[in-house]
Amino acid sequence: EIVLTQSPGTLSLSPGERATLSCRASQSVSSSYLTWYQQKPGQAPRLLIYGASNRATGIPDRFSGSGSGTDFTLTISRLEPEDFAVYYCQQYGSSPPSLTFGGGTKVEIK
Amino acid sequence: QVQLQESGPGLVKPSETLSLTCAVSGYSISSGYNWGWFRQPPGKGLEWIGTMYHSGSPYYNPSLKSRVTISVDTSKNQFSLKLSSVTAADTAVYYCGRQFGSSSGWACDYWGQGTMVTVSS
Repeated sequence: EIVLTQSPGTLSLSPGERATLSCRASQSVSSSYLTWYQQKPGQAPRLLIYGASNRATGIPDRFSGSGSGTDFTLTISRLEPEDFAVYYCQQYGSSPPSLTFGGGTKVEIK
Repeated sequence: QVQLQESGPGLVKPSETLSLTCAVSGYSISSGYNWGWFRQPPGKGLEWIGTMYHSGSPYYNPSLKSRVTISVDTSKNQFSLKLSSVTAADTAVYYCGRQFGSSSGWACDYWGQGTMVTVSS
């Protein structure tokens, strides 16, 4: 089973700053299978990025995803007030088909 | 606009079976996509429960496989989750979702709002 480790656990930043979130896999993951979500308190997760770098419909271009192999990154170029939330990465494993999530990174207002 | 809505009891007794339904509107389940269930214990992260295509076999989280059944009712445009022999560890917010195909990593683009299920006597 592939384990996803997200770091840091909490990121304290100010609006307008750049946020860089890491998701590290215990084994190599196909870029096609790496997904990022945003979750705010009391809400369902929201799809941000799929296939490591493809923005979902309606997602602002300040969100970008990159990476390959075991190291993936979600970058928020300039934090807006509505971006303070918890972010999760997810990977799909094909044999047998399964999903695992990272533990999440909380982006909080400094 | 695709919408998903979970429904079911908010309180289940230990050792009993948790049953939830996800009603889908704005999209026909039989038209494609995968359909899945997730959960999130209070204050914790997300966990995948299982996924199925409308006409295929379901796939389950190995840690829950012996207790989980996911089924689809295309006539009602809904799908369901059953989790047997529940314990307090199954207390969580349960979400249903629409998922892309495997080539896009089963990413979930539409989610229900979630329903809190508490296991307690």
